[in-house]
Order: sequence, then structure tokens, then C-alpha cells
Amino acid sequence: EAAVTQSPRNKVTVTGGNVTLSCRQTNSHNYMYWYRQDTGHGLRLIHYSYGAGNLQIGDVPDGYKATRTTQEDFFLLLELASPSQTSLYFCASSVDRGQISDYTFGSGTRLLVI
Amino acid sequence: QQNVQQSPESLIVPEGARTSLNCTFSDSASQYFWWYRQHSGKAPKALMSIFSNGEKEEGRFTIHLNKASLHFSLHIRDSQPSDSALYLCAVNYAQGLTFGLGTRVSVFP
Repeated sequence: EAAVTQSPRNKVTVTGGNVTLSCRQTNSHNYMYWYRQDTGHGLRLIHYSYGAGNLQIGDVPDGYKATRTTQEDFFLLLELASPSQTSLYFCASSVDRGQISDYTFGSGTRLLVI
Repeated sequence: QQNVQQSPESLIVPEGARTSLNCTFSDSASQYFWWYRQHSGKAPKALMSIFSNGEKEEGRFTIHLNKASLHFSLHIRDSQPSDSALYLCAVNYAQGLTFGLGTRVSVFP
């Protein structure tokens, strides 16, 4: 079964800290996405990629970097974490950009910046 | 950027009732429309999609799409407590899918 695995499940860091969230998909999907989910704002796209080495900017990219090292692996980097980045982060993968195929989401990473 | 609005924000329905959820979008060029369901503490999961005007039924779930009205809806027949979840509508745009804020549905026995 197609799978997207995120790590860690939970993370606490201090303001100004450095955080890396990891995502691996075993679906052979071209597209991978990073979303954050917040009450009152819903799911918002941070960055996405359509293949190894590619990176596209999403709707809320400020304060985030991302890197797609392989077809399977997509990382989200917070180099100077701020309390406003406390959120539930989801990674997803898909064959296309939400046209014929659906998104497969990971289980999420809950990040707390104190 | 696509603007997607959902209504109502929340819904409480008795078991066995029909549940109706609404979604409006802003870009008339949109072509692909999805409903996702997210149980508490879990990942969103696609329920069903529609690509052309009209109606599509899968089991207890029905989607209606009216592109001219920039509106689509999800109807759940014979709602069950296991249907209690956050329902997210999504519409495609240049960068992929944009999601609404969701409708939280609670089905009580």
C-alpha cells in the first residue's frame, strides 16, 4: 500500500532553534508537498516538489526551506524557529497536482516552538 | 490564488440523518474537485472527487458540482457515528490542491 512516513511525530524546540522535519514516500509519486494545519487557517501549502532536486514555493513559504534529495525523500527546514511556526505539519505525495489522483498524506508532525 | 470557502463550520446530526456540506470556489477555470475526511488526530484521506458538472454517488456519499455557480457539495446518507470527522473540500489550482477550512461533523447515536 502507498505510504508516506513522517518523522518525528512530535518535536519541541526553542525560539531560534534549528529543526528538520523528514518525509519519505514509497509510492513512486512525482509530487511531494509540505502543508501546515492550523485552526482558523486550515491546510496551507508551504513548499512542493515535482522531483529530486526540484523545489517550488507554496503559499506560505516565509521562514521555511525545503529540499528534495531523492524521489522518496523531502525535508522541511526551519533554521530560526519562531513560536508562530508552532503547528501540525503534513507531508503528502501524489502522481499529479491533484487532478486525476488524490494526495496521500503522512500522519503529521506536531511542532511546538517555545 | 484559489479561494475556497466551506459551510457550515460545524454540524451536529443524529445517527441515520442526511448530512450536507457545502464548498464554494473562486476560479471558474478549476477542473478538479475533491472531498477529504480527517478523523481526529489522523491524516486527511481522500473520500471522492468529481471532474464534470452533475452528480456522482459512491455508497452513502454523493457529490454535486455546479461550475457555473462555483459550488459543489457532499451529501452523506444514513450518517453514522464513524462519519464524525473534519471534512475538507479541495480544488485544484496551479500549485496543486487548495483546501477549505473544513466542516466539523459530529454524528450522535
